[in-house]
Amino acid sequence: EAQVTQNPRYLITVTGKKLTVTCSQNMNHEYMSWYRQDPGLGLRQIYYSMNVEVTDKGDVPEGYKVSRKEKRNFPLILESPSPNQTSLYFCASSLLGGGYGYTFGSGTRLTVV
Amino acid sequence: GQQLNQSPQSMFIQEGEDVSMNCTSSSIFNTWLWYKQDPGEGPVLLIALYKAGELTSNGRLTAQFGITRKDSFLNISASIPSDVGIYFCAGANTGNQFYFGTGTSLTVIP
Repeated sequence: EAQVTQNPRYLITVTGKKLTVTCSQNMNHEYMSWYRQDPGLGLRQIYYSMNVEVTDKGDVPEGYKVSRKEKRNFPLILESPSPNQTSLYFCASSLLGGGYGYTFGSGTRLTVV
Repeated sequence: GQQLNQSPQSMFIQEGEDVSMNCTSSSIFNTWLWYKQDPGEGPVLLIALYKAGELTSNGRLTAQFGITRKDSFLNISASIPSDVGIYFCAGANTGNQFYFGTGTSLTVIP
């Protein structure tokens, strides 16, 4: 089944403790992207990648890192999480960019205390 | 980044009624897309539109790409309880130019 898989689905952590949210897609898509969703603010792009070793900032990149060492994987790294990073996170992939439609994962609900 | 304005922000309708929502932008887009998000899940693509004036249907859903290329419309006919969710529009150009709307929350009352 074609899908984007994120792990974990739920995560509670403490301020400052480094964490990684994994994302993997099995559709051989070039583009991958991370979004966060907050009430009243909609979906905002954190980082995106157009191909292996090619990443760029989205609208809200502060406090996040990403890497794209393999085409299928695009992990999101929070080096020192803070409470304002409590949010619902989505990974998405697309064959050739947003105009072709992104396929989204099921989300990771992160709480930083 | 850009944000597209959707209206209405929320809707409460009776089962069987038709639904209309729209999305506007200050910028021109080459592609308009409509997504639905169920509670606790990621958005799922419903319809993609690639040409100004285009009208495309997917079952009970019909979407239109506005002539000005700055807006799009989604209609749902004969709503059913499983239509409940948040509907997002998205405007896209080449590459990473992909922007979501603010969302319309739909509640269907049986």
